[in-house]
Amino acid sequence: EAGVAQSPRYKIIEKRQSVAFWCNPISGHATLYWYQQILGQGPKLLIQFQNNGVVDDSQLPKDRFSAERLKGVDSTLKIQPAKLEDSAVYLCASSSAREELFFGEGSRLTVL
Amino acid sequence: GESVGLHLPTLSVQEGDNSIINCAYSNSASDYFIWYKQESGKGPQFIIDIRSNMDKRQGQRVTVLLNKTVKHLSLQIAATQPGDSAVYFCAERRAGNMLTFGGGTRLMVKP
Repeated sequence: EAGVAQSPRYKIIEKRQSVAFWCNPISGHATLYWYQQILGQGPKLLIQFQNNGVVDDSQLPKDRFSAERLKGVDSTLKIQPAKLEDSAVYLCASSSAREELFFGEGSRLTVL
Repeated sequence: GESVGLHLPTLSVQEGDNSIINCAYSNSASDYFIWYKQESGKGPQFIIDIRSNMDKRQGQRVTVLLNKTVKHLSLQIAATQPGDSAVYFCAERRAGNMLTFGGGTRLMVKP
C-alpha cells in the first residue's frame, strides 16, 4: 500500500514570499490532516478535512495560511506571506474509519 | 539527517535493557491514546494505541499502560535495540477526533 505522499520535501524562501505544499493521502482515506512541527516540539494540528469539508481549522492562522481539498483527495496548504516563525516541518496525515493516522515524510520549510 | 528535536527530554539506555517512556496528558475526557515513533527526517510512525476503557495493551516488544486516575501514559519497550533510537510522542484524542501531541522524548540506545 502506497503511503502518504508530500512535496516538496524541502523549501527555502525569504520572509513575505509565498509557498505551497501538496499532499496525496492513502487511497480511500476520507480524513486528511495538516500538522505543523516546529523543531523540538510535537506536531500541532492546523486543519482537518473529512472528504472535502473542513472539520477543524481552529488553529490555522487564517490571515496567512489557507488549505483546500477540492475533490476530497489531494490537498494543498499555502502560506502567504511567510514569516520567520513559519519555519517548520509541515506534516500531512490521513486516516480511514480507524483512528490510526498515517503520516507522510513532511515538507521542511525554512524562512530566511 | 537533521534532528527532530534538539532540546527534548532524553532517555539513554543500554542495548538489551528495557525502556520506559512516560507521558502526562491533560484532558480527562480524552478517550483514545497513541504512541508514535519519529526518526530523524521522517514523519511519525504508529507504534501502539489504547482506548480509555483499557489500562494495558501489548504489542510486539511494546506495552502501553494507561493510568486515568493520574492522567499518565507510559510506553515500555522490551530488549531495546539500536533501531529503537528515535523521538517518541504520545498523542491523545479529544472531542471531534482531534489528535493532540505531547512534547516528545528522545530515546538513545547505547551499544
